[in-house]
Amino acid sequence: DSGVTQTPKHLITATGQRVTLRCSPRSGDLSVYWYQQSLDQGLQFLIQYYNGEERAKGNILERFSAQQFPDLHSELNLSSLELGDSALYFCASSVGRTDKNIQYFGAGTRLSVL
Amino acid sequence: ELKVEQNPLFLSMQEGKNYTIYCNYSTTSDRLYWYRQDPGKSLESLFVLLSNGAVKQEGRLMASLDTKARLSTLHITAAVHDLSATYFCVKGGGADGLTFGKGTHLIIQP
Repeated sequence: DSGVTQTPKHLITATGQRVTLRCSPRSGDLSVYWYQQSLDQGLQFLIQYYNGEERAKGNILERFSAQQFPDLHSELNLSSLELGDSALYFCASSVGRTDKNIQYFGAGTRLSVL
Repeated sequence: ELKVEQNPLFLSMQEGKNYTIYCNYSTTSDRLYWYRQDPGKSLESLFVLLSNGAVKQEGRLMASLDTKARLSTLHITAAVHDLSATYFCVKGGGADGLTFGKGTHLIIQP
């Protein structure tokens, strides 16, 4: 158990809908990272938050947004969903603000867009 | 654009054999990671390599880093079935967070 908690584990929704994925980092970790894993794109970094502030941005679509709350949990919001958004979404956390520290991954949320 | 290329992408080997997975990356890096992922599961950190010539070993796995050649290797010694998984080479240190290779899907057969 990595100590990173993601909910829900599975999500099935329809095209055009909006969903929210939730992540609770390990105790003491200030950074939260979001990743998308799909068969065609592999694992891609989406976005990082450090202590409530956006720290780095990767291949995140404009339809997607994230935030980190004062209690350090984070939410990834996906809107106007398309079939191609179906993927496994991972959250990871680390203690520092850069990726020099090991990132601990949650179990993931599997999103199916029908 | 940063690229991380792993070779091979698929590997089927017998228990007891040795093999090496190679990872080439396109820009200089001061840190390189190896992660393991079991089917349908999350990712687990195996090694963090922080400097040229770094070598780390854990059980039957050994990872090394040659920053001049922009090459990292993951060597498997006397493979056992429990090592069957997908192994990712991951480059850090960029402004865009971690960059993952496509992964090497390893199957170890009795």
